[in-house]
Amino acid sequence: TQLLEQSPQFLSIQEGENLTVYCNSSSVFSSLQWYRQEPGEGPVLLVTVVTGGEVKKLKRLTFQFGDARKDSSLHITAAQPGDTGLYLCAGEGAGTALIFGKGTTLSVSS
Amino acid sequence: GAGVSQSPSNKVTEKGKDVELRCDPISGHTALYWYRQRLGQGLEFLIYFQGNSAPDKSGLPSDRFSAERTGESVSTLTIQRTQQEDSAVYLCASSPSWRSPLHFGNGTRLTVT
Repeated sequence: TQLLEQSPQFLSIQEGENLTVYCNSSSVFSSLQWYRQEPGEGPVLLVTVVTGGEVKKLKRLTFQFGDARKDSSLHITAAQPGDTGLYLCAGEGAGTALIFGKGTTLSVSS
Repeated sequence: GAGVSQSPSNKVTEKGKDVELRCDPISGHTALYWYRQRLGQGLEFLIYFQGNSAPDKSGLPSDRFSAERTGESVSTLTIQRTQQEDSAVYLCASSPSWRSPLHFGNGTRLTVT
């Protein structure tokens, strides 16, 4: 069974701080997606990484896919209250379903 | 354009009753997924539809759960004889094709009392 472990589970920081969220597995994924979910809404796609070692930037968010395609990280620079939410990583494995981690709940206070 | 629509947004039911949840995918999206999200948990895969192919039912937790989809349109998820552990948010997602990024609805919050 392919599993994705996310850490930390909860993160509470002040506006302006930097943070990194991790998504790890013992399995290889053909690609990995990051979603953000706000209360009462469904997850919204942020980015897809496909190639081992790939780095993608989305404004203050930097996503990296591990060289072996088993792990990924999300780094946020100068966090803002609008970044608050549940961050989910999801991997495309061998089956038909996208496999999701349990998520990291981020709270940014001003 | 319209996104994925789910109804009802909230459902409270008594233990033992049957419930039916509805999902209207984005027009033209051939792939449709159902996921379950328990409080504080990630998304648990339930079932996947792709066009007219046989659905992947490997994630359904018991035979009390079933789902249907007519062509490439509406899908319904039915839970029979609901139990308290069925309480969760049920999320539907669609995508243009297999392994394209998912577009999620806002979910149905099911509470079994």
